[in-house]
Amino acid sequence: DGGITQSPKYLFRKEGQNVTLSCEQNLNHDAMYWYRQDPGQGLRLIYYSQIVNDFQKGDIAEGYSVSREKKESFPLTVTSAQKNPTAFYLCASSPSRGGGYTFGSGTRLTVV
Amino acid sequence: AQSVTQLGSHVSVSEGALVLLRCNYSSSVPPYLFWYVQYPNQGLQLLLKYTTGATLVKGINGFEAEFKKSETSFHLTKPSAHMSDAAEYFCAVRGRSNDYKLSFGAGTTVTVRA
Repeated sequence: DGGITQSPKYLFRKEGQNVTLSCEQNLNHDAMYWYRQDPGQGLRLIYYSQIVNDFQKGDIAEGYSVSREKKESFPLTVTSAQKNPTAFYLCASSPSRGGGYTFGSGTRLTVV
Repeated sequence: AQSVTQLGSHVSVSEGALVLLRCNYSSSVPPYLFWYVQYPNQGLQLLLKYTTGATLVKGINGFEAEFKKSETSFHLTKPSAHMSDAAEYFCAVRGRSNDYKLSFGAGTTVTVRA
């Protein structure tokens, strides 16, 4: 079955450490997205990519980086510059205009 | 830019009662509209969407929503709540341009009383 796979499901980061969250899709979708979810704040867009080798900053890109070297993959790196990284991270993908998003099951990142 | 406002961050209903979740959008032209559901520690699942055509949209799990241009609304309803409907619900909007981004509301948490 087609879908989006996020890994790991739980991730722990030490202070000053960079960590990378994986997102892979086999839906042949053009666009991919990363959202951060905090209690009571809904979903906030971190980065998105509408085509391979191109991506744009969302509303809260500071302290994060991404790459889009393959259509299927859109990894997110949470850098040490992100001062408050503890959150639930959701990856999504969508086809061309008119389609909704398909979401992964999320990665919960905790700073220890 | 498009945006949505969900009225009420928490809604409590009795099992078997009507579920009504309110969503209003702001957009210069009729946008694409979506409702998603999220269960604890999971991703979001699409309930239904409005793109064009019939303004009453039926989705999964017995939910439906009506697009009302005059009221800039897209409220979600279910005639009879079930315990399994307890979750968080998000309304989302995107424009009809080549920008694929969705803008999400803050979410409404639904609890169902036995």
